[in-house]
Amino acid sequence: QKEVEQDPGPLSVPEGAIVSLNCTYSNSAFQYFMWYRQYSRKGPELLMYTYSSGNKEDGRFTAQVDKSSKYISLFIRDSQPSDSATYLCAMSAEGGSEKLVFGKGTKLTVNP
Amino acid sequence: DTGVSQDPRHKITKRGQNVTFRCDPISEHNRLYWYRQTLGQGPEFLTYFQNEAQLEKSRLLSDRFSAERPKGSFSTLEIQRTEQGDSAMYLCASSLVPWDLGYTFGSGTRLTVV
Repeated sequence: QKEVEQDPGPLSVPEGAIVSLNCTYSNSAFQYFMWYRQYSRKGPELLMYTYSSGNKEDGRFTAQVDKSSKYISLFIRDSQPSDSATYLCAMSAEGGSEKLVFGKGTKLTVNP
Repeated sequence: DTGVSQDPRHKITKRGQNVTFRCDPISEHNRLYWYRQTLGQGPEFLTYFQNEAQLEKSRLLSDRFSAERPKGSFSTLEIQRTEQGDSAMYLCASSLVPWDLGYTFGSGTRLTVV
């Protein structure tokens, strides 16, 4: 079993839809949870960063962490064509600036 | 500062040749990471430096791979006797510890071994 599992999709939605992206993990030591967005032929960019359990909101994006279920989610409201990218979850036991374990990524396409 | 810079962006090499990639991190960042990403997969950790010291190297990294960060500034990743399985995107990222603000990635070097 891989440490981090992420459904690779692809996921295709109409503009304005609510998007839900998810990852599960097996390592109980993970406490720091991130979502990175990666456009084609570019490096990943940090989108959301949460510590331990709970929710964090930033504009149209909400990150949720449920440590009891070892499950994290990213919600995108009012999705836009510019949100079309691959979304990678990443986790660490020591911090967001330490060694990360990434999921496979979910490729999202938002159709105008 | 324009972020993390990687050079070259693309490299095509014949099997058996040596290749070297360069990464210039954000100047005030003390950590530098190398990751490898193959098609349809997330980035996979290779190695990292704190200033000039190489602190960890993945067990997945064979002896054909070596990385340096002289003087704690730019870093190089060398692959000797390349194999087709080395074809991937090689990503460099930098961060500043102990300030926990996450990574800044470069755009990567895409290696194709033919």
